[in-house]
Amino acid sequence: DAKTTQPPSMDCAEGRAANLPCNHSTISGNEYVYWYRQIHSQGPQYIIHGLKNNETNEMASLIITEDRKSSTLILPHATLRDTAVYYCIVRVATVFNKFYFGSGTKLNVKP
Amino acid sequence: EPEVTQTPSHQVTQMGQEVILRCVPISNHLYFYWYRQILGQKVEFLVSFYNNEISEKSEIFDDQFSVERPDGSNFTLKIRSTKLEDSAMYFCASSERAGHQPQHFGDGTRLSIL
Repeated sequence: DAKTTQPPSMDCAEGRAANLPCNHSTISGNEYVYWYRQIHSQGPQYIIHGLKNNETNEMASLIITEDRKSSTLILPHATLRDTAVYYCIVRVATVFNKFYFGSGTKLNVKP
Repeated sequence: EPEVTQTPSHQVTQMGQEVILRCVPISNHLYFYWYRQILGQKVEFLVSFYNNEISEKSEIFDDQFSVERPDGSNFTLKIRSTKLEDSAMYFCASSERAGHQPQHFGDGTRLSIL
């Protein structure tokens, strides 16, 4: 699975959009981009995933560049409850393929 | 929304004792996983399980570890003779199908070995 690079931490003001970047320059054609988050010591929470098209759900939007070498997770109106570690994971969608969790980005949402 | 549930939330065990961590995956899911996270470290894959068989296991998952689906709803992780370094959060996950479908995680069991 391709390696991802994320900033170790970011700040965001409450109510503003949080834009979390991820670089995955060695991504291959059959690898999906997934975003999870981990609030304190809870289990990783699935947010969104995509292959090449932009995706949106009730939690967030995922913007993948045309060359697929980077992506951005957008939380449109961040709240204090969105403070968490956000993981960008690139993964080949084969049977039973595990998720490799890196260090992620610690997002601090401030009042 | 359906979720993965894990019990107990915290387990304290003496070194050398056996421990069983329990998970109830989402009901229509067929693929099951265990991960662990040592305090302050990354989430690490342990094992995947499908059709009553281990599909893949990591180097961490040695002979002291075993998994079982004893009935139609539970999925368990057993550590036969616990060591101090087994102290960690253990997360169960499940997915509906293989391929690109996401895995959904429980909130974990904190295992403390004394």
